[in-house]
Amino acid sequence: EVQLVESGGGLVQPGGSLRLSCAASGFTFSSYWMNWVRQAPGKGLEWVANIEEDGSEKYYVDSVKGRFTISRDNVKNSLYLQMNSLRAEDTAVYYCARGDTIGNWFDPWGQGTLVTVSS
Amino acid sequence: AIRMTQSPSSFSASTGDRVTITCRASQGISSYLAWYQQKPGKAPKLLIYAASTLQSGVPSRFSGSGSGTDFTLTISCLQSEDLATYYCQQYYSDPWTFGQGTKVEIK
Repeated sequence: EVQLVESGGGLVQPGGSLRLSCAASGFTFSSYWMNWVRQAPGKGLEWVANIEEDGSEKYYVDSVKGRFTISRDNVKNSLYLQMNSLRAEDTAVYYCARGDTIGNWFDPWGQGTLVTVSS
Repeated sequence: AIRMTQSPSSFSASTGDRVTITCRASQGISSYLAWYQQKPGKAPKLLIYAASTLQSGVPSRFSGSGSGTDFTLTISCLQSEDLATYYCQQYYSDPWTFGQGTKVEIK
């Protein structure tokens, strides 16, 4: 069974840092682009970042460029999101999602991990 | 960035009804469109990709159509378990963007 499990969310003060992890299983992790997508409370979905199969290419939404870094470990079958200089508007559930080999639609998704930025 | 606009934002329908949700892109995206279903408190689930290809395991009452800038998601016979918010997403160009969502309620 293909599975994605996020961890690392929590409460952090504005300006602080947090590192999210996503453990993948049930598929050849190193063969897929991987994504982070977030959802602010009561709001819609926003793609945050993605990373190529071998980690050489990375893309970010403008609002997180220079603050967030996506990375992966294909030996540990894990995806990461290092979040620095966090702002209140970064408060959201963060989902890990696999990209398809043909196009960047997202399937499957993890259960999500909540990040709350507040003093 | 390509802006995706869904309509309506929400509506209520009865079980057995045929319902249609529309998604419009701010520029042409060919058929690079996906639809997702998100039930309350759950992660989104892929329903359709390439505008009209049904994901494996998704009930056949769901269908998608369109190309260019205008797309539709149709539920042919609404079931109670279809209570959810539905999102479209373009994967034509970075940044990948979603519509604002359409919340479907059951009368």
